Amino acid sequence: GENVEQHPSTLSVQEGDSAVIKCTYSDSASNYFPWYKQELGKGPQLIIDIRSNVGEKKDQRIAVTLNKTAKHFSLHITETQPEDSAVYFCAASPYNTDKLIFGTGTRLQVFP
Amino acid sequence: NAGVTQTPKFRILKIGQSMTLQCAQDMNHNYMYWYRQDPGMGLKLIYYSVGAGITDKGEVPNGYNVSRSTTEDFPLRLELAAPSQTSVYFCASSYSGRPSGAASTDTQYFGPGTRLTVL
Repeated sequence: GENVEQHPSTLSVQEGDSAVIKCTYSDSASNYFPWYKQELGKGPQLIIDIRSNVGEKKDQRIAVTLNKTAKHFSLHITETQPEDSAVYFCAASPYNTDKLIFGTGTRLQVFP
Repeated sequence: NAGVTQTPKFRILKIGQSMTLQCAQDMNHNYMYWYRQDPGMGLKLIYYSVGAGITDKGEVPNGYNVSRSTTEDFPLRLELAAPSQTSVYFCASSYSGRPSGAASTDTQYFGPGTRLTVL
């Protein structure tokens, strides 16, 4: 079955710097890769996603890149702000399934 | 719309007790999911449902039961609580449940969670 690894587990950056979180997946048939942000005491919320027919997707300060050959995808946050502080989860959905397999999460802290 | 709601927010159980975690959504979503979140372990799928009357096991179903009698509700039942079930439980829903498809409505929307402690 699919396995998703996520690194780093914690990440501290200065406000205004960039942050990058990386995930690798094992099932080459997976073709949907969402990223979720979880603030303290709340449920995860989708912030961006990418499908396997696309190599990169941007939404303002957030971008996701996908390398199907290497089976890894990354979340890039530019010009970080204190409100970006949260736990971020990547996930992969194997083709033709109803499931998401989540990574173990990255706790991002942005210091003013 | 209230989205996905979960009750209770917190609960402490003794070993061997039973309880039902409630989940409801008002978005007319077909698919609903139950996850558990343990520290440093991400989210693990317990059970899911593709529509009323249909449920299926996820990665970690042992010790849990579900039912789906209506589109809106998807309760999770713990029959004999054990310390290993101490966790935060999240319910989620999505329109079609096929993230691999082209429709943008396949996003999973999560509830606020239930923190359960079994002592």
